[in-house]
Amino acid sequence: AQKITQTQPGMFVQEKEAVTLDCTYDTSDPSYGLFWYKQPSSGEMIFLIYQGSYDQQNATEGRYSLNFQKARKSANLVISASQLGDSAMYFCALEIQGAQKLVFGQGTRLTINP
Amino acid sequence: DAMVIQNPRYQVTQFGKPVTLSCSQTLNHNVMYWYQQKSSQAPKLLFHYYDKDFNNEADTPDNFQSRRPNTSFCFLDIRSPGLGDAAMYLCATSRDPSVQETQYFGPGTRLLVL
Repeated sequence: AQKITQTQPGMFVQEKEAVTLDCTYDTSDPSYGLFWYKQPSSGEMIFLIYQGSYDQQNATEGRYSLNFQKARKSANLVISASQLGDSAMYFCALEIQGAQKLVFGQGTRLTINP
Repeated sequence: DAMVIQNPRYQVTQFGKPVTLSCSQTLNHNVMYWYQQKSSQAPKLLFHYYDKDFNNEADTPDNFQSRRPNTSFCFLDIRSPGLGDAAMYLCATSRDPSVQETQYFGPGTRLLVL
């Protein structure tokens, strides 16, 4: 069975600092994708970044980067130079090839303090 | 802008009174998904359509049904809402169900059952 674990229920960070949100996953399938979504209090799930299991390099999208350590089965999200608008719930999700669905972790609530 | 639209954003219904939530998309994606997200929990997939093919999750209650009359629209019908069905309902789309394809979410509909 596939599983995603986010061990940090909540994090508090000062504005402009970098923050790392942890995500570990469990799957025996060699082909999979890992996604990070941001969910503000309004409820919409906003796609941030994607990492494929066969990608050789860590994914980056602007201030977001993914620290992908395949052997450890971790896919941590790094947000550089955090902003007040980054305060939200963050979900890590796993999709197995052919499964046609995302399996989400429990999320981490990130609060950026001014 | 291409997007996923959900109406209404907030829906109040009475215990046992059928309710329909709607989702439309201008992305021309082949796959449409419905997720249920209860307070402080991760989204949980209810079912999805790949074109006209309906795929139900094994643990989705029979009380939940879906219709996809065309590529652009997908509906979630709750036949007899119970208090436990109060949740955020998220619609998502993807171009196809392969692992590299990102799911794009709508803003969600918050359902309250009185």
